[in-house]
Amino acid sequence: QQQVKQSPQSLIVQKGGISIINCAYENTAFDYFPWYQQFPGKGPALLIAIRPDVSEKKEGRFTISFNKSAKQFSLHIMDSQPGDSATYFCAASMLKAAGNKLTFGGGTRVLVKP
Amino acid sequence: DAGVIQSPRHEVTEMGQEVTLRCKPISGHNSLFWYRQTMMRGLELLIYFNNNVPIDDSGMPEDRFSAKMPNASFSTLKIQPSEPRDSAVYFCASRWTGGREQYFGPGTRLTVT
Repeated sequence: QQQVKQSPQSLIVQKGGISIINCAYENTAFDYFPWYQQFPGKGPALLIAIRPDVSEKKEGRFTISFNKSAKQFSLHIMDSQPGDSATYFCAASMLKAAGNKLTFGGGTRVLVKP
Repeated sequence: DAGVIQSPRHEVTEMGQEVTLRCKPISGHNSLFWYRQTMMRGLELLIYFNNNVPIDDSGMPEDRFSAKMPNASFSTLKIQPSEPRDSAVYFCASRWTGGREQYFGPGTRLTVT
């Protein structure tokens, strides 16, 4: 019930293309869904986050789409750039849980080719 | 703000040795998390502190691992004795209790030979 499943494991996209990463969860008590971006040798950093009362959130070239009934959410990277090459993690947490802990997906390694 | 500070950034040690990893959270943050990252298991939460008190250590793999937070600005994760399977990147993250976002440090890459 605590798992967050992420796909694909890796993704290669041409510069200017769209990168799409999908995540699915089981626990309907989750109420916060962040995406983290991690560059090699660095710690994960928050990219964008959404709550389940919103179906879409956009920040620049990054968009989260959220489907509450399907218990799925996805990250779209529009006009992908070589600088977007990184590992992306989806996560979920519930405010009521002790520590408001994040449950992470397995990660997607994105490579944007110039 | 300097962000979350971790030391050392790299640690190479021999099996059986004691290893101590250090973390300084962001000033004002009162929740602190230790994670381990490996290719096989991804990001795993090891232990979580709130106001310097360990709240959930269910992710600590075994008794060889211990963590302390003697004050609001310092935490340690100790492995004694270390084993090759402990080789991983260990991250510390902090959060203001009233917020949802966790801020990660740069990590410590541990290699146990």
